[in-house]
Amino acid sequence: GAVVSQHPSRVICKSGTSVKIECRSLDFQATTMFWYRQFPKQSLMLMATSNEGSKATYEQGVEKDKFLINHASLTLSTLTVTSAHPEDSSFYICSARGAVEHEQYFGPGTRLTVT
Amino acid sequence: RKEVEQDPGPFNVPEGATVAFNCTYSNSASQSFFWYRQDCRKEPKLLMSVYSSGNEDGRFTAQLNRASQYISLLIRDSKLSDSATYLCVVNGAGGFKTIFGAGTRLFVKA
Repeated sequence: GAVVSQHPSRVICKSGTSVKIECRSLDFQATTMFWYRQFPKQSLMLMATSNEGSKATYEQGVEKDKFLINHASLTLSTLTVTSAHPEDSSFYICSARGAVEHEQYFGPGTRLTVT
Repeated sequence: RKEVEQDPGPFNVPEGATVAFNCTYSNSASQSFFWYRQDCRKEPKLLMSVYSSGNEDGRFTAQLNRASQYISLLIRDSKLSDSATYLCVVNGAGGFKTIFGAGTRLFVKA
């Protein structure tokens, strides 16, 4: 199956700092990328959907100024958590979907801990 | 009502048992359906797509009932390695928005 990578896999940062997470589709062009957040023992929650070259569509309750998404190319999307706070500590997962694929391929996730 | 609902479990079954999970969805315009598997602290991985005609992959059988708006997953001859959380996934109209169920936890014991 298709491969999606995420970097970093784990990050610890201090409250008030910003963190950037990269999501790359390695062997296909991802026309659409999705960003999810998962708290312990909870389901994946979609944060936003982005199409290459256009602004991301955020789900209700997700602050677009706090979670900046850039989908600059067909193989790269980034999520920047700005002014992170402890409540932003979570498992962030991206997924990518190509133009001809109906399934989504998930990155391995990034575990963010804000101290 | 949640858009996608699953029994959270956990289901505790012995090796070799047959276990079935159901999932209901609220949007009748939903287009496509999947089961994903998620191991602890890992990303979800596609287990199988779900078609109206039903589909089988080894010990796994998935079925879709559009009239009743539910999908099911049947696992036969459970293995220890089947222990995981199984996520029901529904793509909305136009296949654009993906909704995940909260997952059903399965523990297979020796």
